[in-house]
Amino acid sequence: AAGVIQSPRHLIKEKRETATLKCYPIPRHDTVYWYQQGPGQDPQFLISFYEKMQSDKGSIPDRFSAQQFSDYHSELNMSSLELGDSALYFCASSLGSGNSYEQYFGPGTRLTVT
Amino acid sequence: KQEVTQIPAALSVPEGENLVLNCSFTDSAIYNLQWFRQDPGKGLTSLLLIQSSQREQTSGRLNASLDKSSGRSTLYIAASQPGDSATYLCAASDPYNFNKFYFGSGTKLNVKP
Repeated sequence: AAGVIQSPRHLIKEKRETATLKCYPIPRHDTVYWYQQGPGQDPQFLISFYEKMQSDKGSIPDRFSAQQFSDYHSELNMSSLELGDSALYFCASSLGSGNSYEQYFGPGTRLTVT
Repeated sequence: KQEVTQIPAALSVPEGENLVLNCSFTDSAIYNLQWFRQDPGKGLTSLLLIQSSQREQTSGRLNASLDKSSGRSTLYIAASQPGDSATYLCAASDPYNFNKFYFGSGTKLNVKP
């Protein structure tokens, strides 16, 4: 079965640079979530989209922005990168119109800021 | 905002033992609760989802229960195997925004052969 696809899987950037992470949800899933997991930390919710509209917002820095496109894929844009942004970034998807909202996670993008 | 706590933080058991992982949450008005498994440096694999109207879910050797009134969920693993070694995370939905999950810090399980 198709899973959530994230690209790239690994990314190395320098401080103050910009990074773009991409997420392709499971086919027919209309809701996308972004999470950040720092070293030794539990995943922290950043932002979610339902039907291309932002549906919820968590602890996402103002330097980050995200959107969901017409084909339901999503991109997380991160600017003015800081060392503390080094983390594993997960994307998850669910069928928002369903009644379970079970989230399926991608393999993550490991971002290293040097 | 939900506060999710998992106990114990780490657990080491011999192969074949049955075990219980605990998860507690502060706001009982959850929409659903989901258990995940995470291998080192890897993504999250969904194990079981329990909706607020359900008391338990079973999948193979795994059984998850939910007691909303006490703010607790347990994950029962029967006949543990070395391949079960991983970190187990529970996530409870925000009581007012069911699209938002709050994660516990996880229980790191080591099953010894």
